[in-house]
Amino acid sequence: GQQVMQIPQYQHVQEGEDFTTYCNSSTTLSNIQWYKQRPGGHPVFLIQLVKSGEVKKQKRLTFQFGEAKKNSSLHITATQTTDVGTYFCAGRLIGADGLTFGKGTHLIIQP
Amino acid sequence: DAGITQSPRHKVTETGTPVTLRCHQTENHRYMYWYRQDPGHGLRLIHYSYGVKDTDKGEVSDGYSVSRSKTEDFLLTLESATSSQTSVYFCAISESAGGGYNEQFFGPGTRLTVL
Repeated sequence: GQQVMQIPQYQHVQEGEDFTTYCNSSTTLSNIQWYKQRPGGHPVFLIQLVKSGEVKKQKRLTFQFGEAKKNSSLHITATQTTDVGTYFCAGRLIGADGLTFGKGTHLIIQP
Repeated sequence: DAGITQSPRHKVTETGTPVTLRCHQTENHRYMYWYRQDPGHGLRLIHYSYGVKDTDKGEVSDGYSVSRSKTEDFLLTLESATSSQTSVYFCAISESAGGGYNEQFFGPGTRLTVL
């Protein structure tokens, strides 16, 4: 079936280092969303990207959507302990009613 | 947080017993979803609903059924629970899907253990 692949599965960083997670789809997406899930919590929406080549920023977080609308990335600058959690991308395939989630990247921060 | 509640929050049951999980929303959103979350698999869609009495299958629908008789309630039923259905179940809602671009709001989750 259609898949949205996300790497890496785990990322250990020292506090203050940068972090990036990547999302790739085998087919073109109509849009892509990013969610964050804190340990023991539920996924919370961060942002949506719709346009080819779109870049959006939220404070230390930068989100990109590829030109072909098949890949996306989330970059966090100077990580803080509050960034700990799992980051999921979720793509909407063209014509589909639902989102296909990546398996997530677990961000572990060492103080 | 959006007005979404799930009940029960935790359940332990035995293989072969029926189980029903409830999702209740106060947002009047049209779309409701059931996901399961397992280590190494992320979030996988079980079933979703695009209106009262309108439901469709997701990626991992085998062994599950759903019903939506009111806008605010979406029920997930395991007719005969198996150990492979031990998981954390999340309900989500959104105003639209398909041609719309609305985010999904997730409930707090139900942790189900099937012994």
